[in-house]
Formats: sequence, structure tokens, C-alpha cells
Amino acid sequence: KAGVTQTPRYLIKTRGQQVTLSCSPISGHRSVSWYQQTPGQGLQFLFEYFSETQRNKGNFPGRFSGRQFSNSRSEMNVSTLELGDSALYLCASSLALQVSGSGNTIYFGEGSWLTVV
Amino acid sequence: GENVEQHPSTLSVQEGDSAVIKCTYSDSASNYFPWYKQELGKRPQLIIDIRSNVGEKKDQRIAVTLNKTAKHFSLHITETQPEDSAVYFCAATRGGLTGGGNKLTFGTGTQLKVEL
Repeated sequence: KAGVTQTPRYLIKTRGQQVTLSCSPISGHRSVSWYQQTPGQGLQFLFEYFSETQRNKGNFPGRFSGRQFSNSRSEMNVSTLELGDSALYLCASSLALQVSGSGNTIYFGEGSWLTVV
Repeated sequence: GENVEQHPSTLSVQEGDSAVIKCTYSDSASNYFPWYKQELGKRPQLIIDIRSNVGEKKDQRIAVTLNKTAKHFSLHITETQPEDSAVYFCAATRGGLTGGGNKLTFGTGTQLKVEL
């Protein structure tokens, strides 16, 4: 079974531009979450989607947005990029919302490395 | 919201020794606690997890213990090997429909170095 797939893997953008990152979850997984990883802030939750609805949102500005499609694939968008947005953006998928249920675990993709110059 | 503290931030052990990493959490409603291993430039990989209805779980050289009363959980790695060298993250979540969904709150990570 294929794992969580993220594209693109690496990208460089200029301040003020916008970027869209894509995530394909493991087949059958309906929950997709996004995280930002930086050396200074660690791993921080951005948002979670389930059945095309945002279920949870972290403490990030409105420049960060996302969506989920009917096939569970997800995209996140960052508008008006700032230097501080340079980070590894990780997508994670799980079978359902109740991760505490037996057999439901969260798997991460390889991430998209974003550099803002 | 949930807050997860992780200690130590760096840990150096000799090959064959044991390593212990400890985490505390603040939200008493948290009920799922995964541990991830992240090698440089790679994805976080789930190595073991524990749910709040058990106190201990073991998988070969790796074990996790959970103390719900004290709100802390620990990762134990025995007979460490050089390939265990990586950053380890603990996390916590409520993991339920009523709150938290699958939102993971991570600790700040422990850089484990296993020396020959």
C-alpha cells in the first residue's frame, strides 16, 4: 500500500508570493492533517480535514488555508509568503477522526521543503 | 490547550545501553500518545503508541509506559544500536470526535546519539 505522498518535495519562493502544496493520503484514509516543522518552533499543527470539512485549526494566521477533495486528497495554500514561512510542511493521514480507537494511527508523508527568499 | 514537555533535549548513550525519554502532558482528556522517530531529512515515523486504557506497551527493544494520574509517559529503548540515533518526538491528542480530532501536540524532541 502506498504511503502518504506529498508534492512538490522542494520549492523556493519569493516573499509575497503564494504557494500550494498537495497531499495524497494512504488509500482509504479520510483524515488529513497538516503540520509545520521548523528548528525554532518544532512541529506545529496547522489544520485537519475529514470528509472535505475542516475539523480543527491551529494557531496560524489566515494566510494559511487548506481544503480537502472528495477523494480525500488535500491541498494547503500559503499566501503572501514571509521569510518565517520557510519550513518543512508535513501532511499526515489516518483512517478516521477517532485516532484513539484501536488500529487507527497517524502516518506522515515525507514533507514539502519550502524556502522563502 | 494541550501542552507537552519533553526531556531531555539531547541524550548520548553507549551502544548496548538503555535510553529513556520522558514526556508530560497537561490535558487530562488526552487519550492517545504516539512516539515518532525522525532521521535527518526524513519523515517522522511512528515507532510505538499507547492508548489511555493501558499502562505499558512493548515492541521488541522499545517500550512505552503511561501514568495517567501523573500525566506523563516515557519511551524506553533497550540494547541501543547506532541506527537508533535520531530525533524522537512524543505527542498527545484527545483523538475523538468531541474534541481534538487527530490534532497531535508534539514535544520539542530529543536528539538521541548512540555512540560506538
